[in-house]
Amino acid sequence: EAQVTQNPRYLITVTGKKLTVTCSQNMNHEYMSWYRQDPGLGLRQIYYSMNVEVTDKGDVPEGYKVSRKEKRNFPLILESPSPNQTSLYFCASSSKSYPTGQGDWDTEAFFGQGTRLTVV
Amino acid sequence: RKEVEQDPGPFNVPEGATVAFNCTYSNSASQSFFWYRQDCRKEPKLLMSVYSSGNEDGRFTAQLNRASQYISLLIRDSKLSDSATYLCVVLYAGGTSYGKLTFGQGTILTVHP
Repeated sequence: EAQVTQNPRYLITVTGKKLTVTCSQNMNHEYMSWYRQDPGLGLRQIYYSMNVEVTDKGDVPEGYKVSRKEKRNFPLILESPSPNQTSLYFCASSSKSYPTGQGDWDTEAFFGQGTRLTVV
Repeated sequence: RKEVEQDPGPFNVPEGATVAFNCTYSNSASQSFFWYRQDCRKEPKLLMSVYSSGNEDGRFTAQLNRASQYISLLIRDSKLSDSATYLCVVLYAGGTSYGKLTFGQGTILTVHP
């Protein structure tokens, strides 16, 4: 079964205590990314990876780190969490887009179930 | 200007109604287009891809106008189970951001009896 697995699902932590949210996919996808979702702001991309050892900043990268040492894993690291990083986080993976043969391109992104993080 | 903009909503419609969502995107290098559905605080799931020729999946019809950079989703004969947030999603295929998905803020749909 195609799956993106995030852990933990829920986490309450204190300011400044380093944490890692893991993300793993079993579809051999090249692309993986992290998003945070906040009320009124929608899904915003934090970091993005096109393949192993290739990562790029998204729209809101400050305060986060990522690594992509293996194709299946893409952990999100908060070195010194702060209360403004309290949010719902999603990991996603997708394959390279492919032509549909009618001038369009297609792909599908699969999301993990989310991690609800509270920093106090 | 946001890269992907959707109708702010929320939409509150009775069962059986037809409802339409609109979305515009600003980056002409955008390659692929999608509608995702998100139930309350759960992960987004693909509803349908959007193709230039328009495409239909049961009660759902999606259309794309590349010249106007506009995407739409039509839901006919709304069901209670259609209540969710609908996300317009664009895949950018230019430069170093190849493969980046950008989301609209989402439109909340509530279908009532």
